[in-house]
Amino acid sequence: QKEVEQDPGPLSVPEGAIVSLNCTYSNSAFQYFMWYRQYSRKGPELLMYTYSSGNKEDGRFTAQVDKSSKYISLFIRDSQPSDSATYLCAMSARYAGGTSYGKLTFGQGTILTVHP
Amino acid sequence: DTEVTQTPKHLVMGMTNKKSLKCEQHMGHRAMYWYKQKAKKPPELMFVYSYEKLSINESVPSRFSPECPNSSLLNLHLHALQPEDSALYLCASSQDLELLSGANVLTFGAGSRLTVL
Repeated sequence: QKEVEQDPGPLSVPEGAIVSLNCTYSNSAFQYFMWYRQYSRKGPELLMYTYSSGNKEDGRFTAQVDKSSKYISLFIRDSQPSDSATYLCAMSARYAGGTSYGKLTFGQGTILTVHP
Repeated sequence: DTEVTQTPKHLVMGMTNKKSLKCEQHMGHRAMYWYKQKAKKPPELMFVYSYEKLSINESVPSRFSPECPNSSLLNLHLHALQPEDSALYLCASSQDLELLSGANVLTFGAGSRLTVL
């Protein structure tokens, strides 16, 4: 079983739709959660960073963390064609010795297409 | 400057060639990373440098040789690669190895797309 599971999609939605992207994880050591967006032939760019359970909002994007269920989500409101990209969840943990060792564990990525 | 710059953007090489990928950042970050990404897959960690010293080698074959000449530069030397090594190679940097706060996250470059013939 992978430490982080993410539905690869692809997901196709009409412009203006609300998009929900999700990841589940099995390692309870994960405490820090990120969402990266990657356009075709580009490097990933950080969208959202969360630590606490609950919601964090940034414009049209909302990141949600439920540590008790080991489940994180990214919601995109009023989706636009420019949101078409691959969305990667990523997680880090404080391992023995109190360091993350620079390691992120990524989900498989969800390919999203928003059509006009 | 909040960018990680990678060169070249595209590289085609034969299996007997020697080439290098370069990465530069001027954000004062002290941790730098090489990732490999195949199509429709997440990035896979290859190497991590912390304060110019190799911190992590994720059991990468010796045909990939990293080098960190100074705190701003990271190279990946390539020799005797195989066609299955064709991928997008991503460089990233962070303030340090403690990816445990929103103030210290990975910043990726645009990548170098490598094709091995």
